[in-house]
Amino acid sequence: QVQLQASGPGLVKPSETLSLTCAVSAYSISSGYYWDWIRQPPGKGLDWIGSIHHSGRTYYNPSLKSRLTISVDTSKNQFSLKLTSVTAADTAVYYCARRRDYGGNSDFDYWGQGTLVIVSS
Amino acid sequence: QSVLAQPPSVSGAPGQRVTISCTGSSSNIGAPYDVHWYQQLPGTAPKLLIYRNSNRPSGVPDRFSGSKSGTSASLDITGLQAEDEADYYCHSYDTSLSWVFGGGTKLIVL
Repeated sequence: QVQLQASGPGLVKPSETLSLTCAVSAYSISSGYYWDWIRQPPGKGLDWIGSIHHSGRTYYNPSLKSRLTISVDTSKNQFSLKLTSVTAADTAVYYCARRRDYGGNSDFDYWGQGTLVIVSS
Repeated sequence: QSVLAQPPSVSGAPGQRVTISCTGSSSNIGAPYDVHWYQQLPGTAPKLLIYRNSNRPSGVPDRFSGSKSGTSASLDITGLQAEDEADYYCHSYDTSLSWVFGGGTKLIVL
């Protein structure tokens, strides 16, 4: 059973950088699939943040692209997210997930448990 | 406002059938891109419930079914059970915004 575990600071100050890591177990990132970040503001719906392929190719939500970097470390079997210049609007539960691609169509078949990040001074 | 529109809530009594709609446009569901559905139980991560419009992952009861027509999709739940009370999200691809979710529908089991 594939497992994903997101981790990182639970509190980030406004204007600083939010950094999260997702550790993957029971599956090698190098073997394929896409690896994504999705967030959910408190009491609200899901928003796709961005994605990385094991090759290193990235895909970003246009609304976050200027502040976002997603990277992969295949030696540690993990991928990471960095979001700069955060504001209170970035407060959310951040999920990492595995994305299956069907030639343009995709679903998220495995999800991590999520980690709450609060942006506050 | 979400690109994919879902009703904020639906309700039904145990044993009944409910339907959750997901309405998009020609740049997503009607493009046509597949629709997937997720169930999010309180305090937990979303779980894939239906993929590629009408397929159930292993372990998902056949009480859950999905369909798609034109620019809309639906999730049907029959034989409603108390444990079905959760938030449900549809998901697809949009040509201008990449991967998008509906706003979510809260299912209330009366």
